[in-house]
Amino acid sequence: DGGITQSPKYLFRKEGQNVTLSCEQNLNHDAMYWYRQDPGQGLRLIYYSQIVNDFQKGDIAEGYSVSREKKESFPLTVTSAQKNPTAFYLCASTPIEASSGNTIYFGEGSWLTVV
Amino acid sequence: DAKTTQPNSMESNEEEPVHLPCNHSTISGTDYIHWYRQLPSQGPEYVIHGLTSNVNNRMASLAIAEDRKSSTLILHRATLRDAAVYYCILRYGNTGKLIFGQGTTLQVKP
Repeated sequence: DGGITQSPKYLFRKEGQNVTLSCEQNLNHDAMYWYRQDPGQGLRLIYYSQIVNDFQKGDIAEGYSVSREKKESFPLTVTSAQKNPTAFYLCASTPIEASSGNTIYFGEGSWLTVV
Repeated sequence: DAKTTQPNSMESNEEEPVHLPCNHSTISGTDYIHWYRQLPSQGPEYVIHGLTSNVNNRMASLAIAEDRKSSTLILHRATLRDAAVYYCILRYGNTGKLIFGQGTTLQVKP
């Protein structure tokens, strides 16, 4: 079945470390997104990409980096510059054709905790 | 960018209809309105989406105002399993950017 997969489900980061969250989709979607969710809060956009080798900053991009070398993959790196990275991270994908109003697919999320 | 506004929380009794509002006064002509719901520590689940006309599916109905500046998600008979955070999302037509509202926490009382 087609879908979007995030890994790992749980990740612990030491102070000063960079960590990378994986997001893979086999839906042939052009657009992919990363969101951060703090407990009891809504989703905030970190980065998004509409095409391979191109991506745009969202509302809270500082301390994060992404790459889009392949259509199916959009990994998120949480760098040591991100001072408060403990949160739930969600990846999403959707076809780029806005006229069709296609459904947005979400991964199951990754919990990142600083220890 | 367009923006969405939702009430923080709502309550309903089981078996009764629920109307969840969303304001999106800065919506543009190509923005689709999506509704998703989320349980704790899970990815959001699709509920319904639309552009201009009212929409119905097995889960819910979506009523879109004629000027498209607001919409209402209607759950016809709330069940305990419908308790979740409901998000109104605009899919920004030209860029594909997804704009989330702050979400409405729906409590369903037996």
